[in-house]
Amino acid sequence: DAGVTQSPTHLIKTRGQQVTLRCSPISGHKSVSWYQQVLGQGPQFIFQYYEKEERGRGNFPDRFSARQFPNYSSELNVNALLLGDSALYLCASSFGHGDQPQHFGDGTRLSIL
Amino acid sequence: QKEVEQNSGPLSVPEGAIASLNCTYSDRGSQSFFWYRQYSGKSPELIMSIYSNGDKEDGRFTAQLNKASQYVSLLIRDSQPSDSATYLCASSGAGSYQLTFGKGTKLSVIP
Repeated sequence: DAGVTQSPTHLIKTRGQQVTLRCSPISGHKSVSWYQQVLGQGPQFIFQYYEKEERGRGNFPDRFSARQFPNYSSELNVNALLLGDSALYLCASSFGHGDQPQHFGDGTRLSIL
Repeated sequence: QKEVEQNSGPLSVPEGAIASLNCTYSDRGSQSFFWYRQYSGKSPELIMSIYSNGDKEDGRFTAQLNKASQYVSLLIRDSQPSDSATYLCASSGAGSYQLTFGKGTKLSVIP
């Protein structure tokens, strides 16, 4: 069975640009979460979506937005990119919400020049 | 502010030894706990989940939870060089869908 798939794998952008990252959950999983991981730190929670509704939002500015589609895939959008947005962006899926284990994709490495 | 604390290491153990990784959390409402393994340049991989006090064993891995002490640990028996990675501890609370991660402990298993 396919795991969580994310695209693209790597992305290079310049300050002020906008970026869209995509995620397809494990088949049967209805919940998708997004995390940002900078070097040397643990992942930081950005958003969670379950059944196409936002169920949680972390401490990130409004430049970050996301949505979930009827097929449970998800997109993370970041506007007005800053140098500090350079990080590994991870998508995780779980069967339900709450305390279900979350499984991560390989991530998208975003570099801002 | 919910926090999960881990010793950043590096923790070095000889091959075949037991590696002990520890984690404390600040939110008494936390109910679910997870250990992830992350190889350099890769994404986190779920190793264990634990929800109630006591021990949970899965192969060479044992997770331990003590909610009164707000303490979670992971034991790796018969450590192998392939276990060398950063181990992330994470928690989630009742009704909260987000995982709060520690910074991770880097484990090095010496052949």
